[in-house]
Amino acid sequence: ILNVEQSPQSLHVQEGDSTNFTCSFPSSNFYALHWYRWETAKSPEALFVMTLNGDEKKKGRISATLNTKEGYSYLYIKGSQPEDSATYLCAFRNTGTASKLTFGTGTRLQVTL
Amino acid sequence: NAGVTQTPKFQVLKTGQSMTLQCAQDMNHNSMYWYRQDPGMGLRLIYYSASEGTTDKGEVPNGYNVSRLNKREFSLRLESAAPSQTSVYFCASSGLAAPYNEQFFGPGTRLTVL
Repeated sequence: ILNVEQSPQSLHVQEGDSTNFTCSFPSSNFYALHWYRWETAKSPEALFVMTLNGDEKKKGRISATLNTKEGYSYLYIKGSQPEDSATYLCAFRNTGTASKLTFGTGTRLQVTL
Repeated sequence: NAGVTQTPKFQVLKTGQSMTLQCAQDMNHNSMYWYRQDPGMGLRLIYYSASEGTTDKGEVPNGYNVSRLNKREFSLRLESAAPSQTSVYFCASSGLAAPYNEQFFGPGTRLTVL
């Protein structure tokens, strides 16, 4: 079983704050790292897929970086808004697991006014 | 284009009862997956099907069986439900054309076993 860890487990920020969270994954046999956004009572939706060391992806106020050599990825949210409230999941795929993803337990973000 | 659909949305079973959760996708994806989501545990893979005609165990397969009926449909069966199987079940699919196997999720089935 691959070990994918996310921290912090939960986070409570105020509107306008910028925040970031971490995903740690095995640094060997890396293939891809996915970030998903999961709102309460909905299904997870893909944010980013990252494949190369040093990758940076951005979608609006959300961005992510990737370090495959040390096995971590950061997700940043600039100027948090209440609609950013969700659980953010990362998922790791290595080279030997066909199409399987191993998910972290997620970081639950709550943004209040 | 409905994406990934799951039925039922909610189900209550008594211990020992059996049921099948249905999943279908209309995106012509090769791979399909069943996950369960429990508090503090994230998404855990039960079974997956890399392509039509193949199925493989995931992290937590005990107590479940699956059938890849055709390319569109992937069902999950609980033969004798136990309270430990109370969970939210998500089906997902991914295709070769999706970037690096991005997975698309269904709306989930909330199952309670009494």
